Amino acid sequence: ETGVTQTPRHLVMGMTNKKSLKCEQHLGHNAMYWYKQSAKKPLELMFVYSLEERVENNSVPSRFSPECPNSSHLFLHLHTLQPEDSALYLCASSQKTGVGNTEAFFGQGTRLTVV
Amino acid sequence: KQEVTQIPAALSVPEGENLVLNCSFTDSAIYNLQWFRQDPGKGLTSLLLIQSSQREQTSGRLNASLDKSSGRSTLYIAASQPGDSATYLCAALMDTGRRALTFGSGTRLQVQP
Repeated sequence: ETGVTQTPRHLVMGMTNKKSLKCEQHLGHNAMYWYKQSAKKPLELMFVYSLEERVENNSVPSRFSPECPNSSHLFLHLHTLQPEDSALYLCASSQKTGVGNTEAFFGQGTRLTVV
Repeated sequence: KQEVTQIPAALSVPEGENLVLNCSFTDSAIYNLQWFRQDPGKGLTSLLLIQSSQREQTSGRLNASLDKSSGRSTLYIAASQPGDSATYLCAALMDTGRRALTFGSGTRLQVQP
């Protein structure tokens, strides 16, 4: 148990569906992240939230829409996805850079399949 | 732009062997470097974090070293066990600019019983 919980663990959705991924951290961290892990590729950073403000959007298509209502929760809203968006989506949290221990902790991921 | 490379991509060793996993990064202006373990289809488990001012960190049978000037880090696993079989990832956090970890592609380790 890393202190970062992601739901659901598995998701199958059609290209016209709308769904949301949820991430919750119980570590008192003030930064949260979404990463995408595709087969045979390094983890790709998608979004960074620091103190509930989006500070980085790594050229992610608009069909992915993040939301950070407070420092403990992070969502990734999905709509009109493509089959190539099928991947493992990982959430992480840490203290923001320059503030003490910035060790990052990851959730178990959501395995997304777009059909 | 920071690039992180891990060699080898895959490694198979007999149980009990000591082994070294390598990680290199192109930009030495890092804040810290973190090693993770990932089991198939699962999330990442943090193993060791080395601050930029440190040379090494140890946890049990694991020892990670950092040489900022040469852009290298190694993860040493002593007396390997079948339960160590997993993918090992290193990731660098920059001192400035990007505020999140940049990952290597990982080394897939198989320890044969």
